[in-house]
Amino acid sequence: QQQVKQSPQSLIVQKGGISIINCAYENTAFDYFPWYQQFPGKGPALLIAIRPDVSEKKEGRFTISFNKSAKQFSLHIMDSQPGDSATYFCAASSASKIIFGSGTRLSIRP
Amino acid sequence: DSGVTQTPKHLITATGQRVTLRCSPRSGDLSVYWYQQSLDQGLQFLIQYYNGEERAKGNILERFSAQQFPDLHSELNLSSLELGDSALYFCASSVIATDGEQFFGPGTRLTVL
Repeated sequence: QQQVKQSPQSLIVQKGGISIINCAYENTAFDYFPWYQQFPGKGPALLIAIRPDVSEKKEGRFTISFNKSAKQFSLHIMDSQPGDSATYFCAASSASKIIFGSGTRLSIRP
Repeated sequence: DSGVTQTPKHLITATGQRVTLRCSPRSGDLSVYWYQQSLDQGLQFLIQYYNGEERAKGNILERFSAQQFPDLHSELNLSSLELGDSALYFCASSVIATDGEQFFGPGTRLTVL
């Protein structure tokens, strides 16, 4: 009940395309869902986050879609650029803990 | 720059040895988290401290221990090191006790030979 399942494990997208990463959770107590971006040799950095009272949040080219009934959320990267190549982690947190997904290695081909 | 500092950046040691990793959280953050990231692996939560007290424990081995000092910096102690302990160790901090908005340091790369 504590897992956050993330897919795919790796993803290759052409420049200008849409990158989509999916996550699913089980514990309905989670109330904050952040996405972290990690470049090689660096620590993860918060990219965008959503709370379950909204179904979508957009910041620039990055959008989180949230489906509370299905307990799923996804990250969409529009107009993907080579600079977006990184590992992306979803997470789910509550008052007592945060659980990270296993990560998706995204490569944007020029 | 997240404002979280970690030292050292790299550490090479031998099996059976003991090392200490240090973390200084962002100014004003009371909560410190430690994570282990092995090659091509996700983030494994080890332990969390809040304002000097242990708050949550994850998959931390008994050979590992941590503490948070009155000035809020934290140290992760790894003892009886094994080859499998080679990994990136990240510290993160947040303002409140449990916050999904964590700020990560640059990490310490530990190599056990």
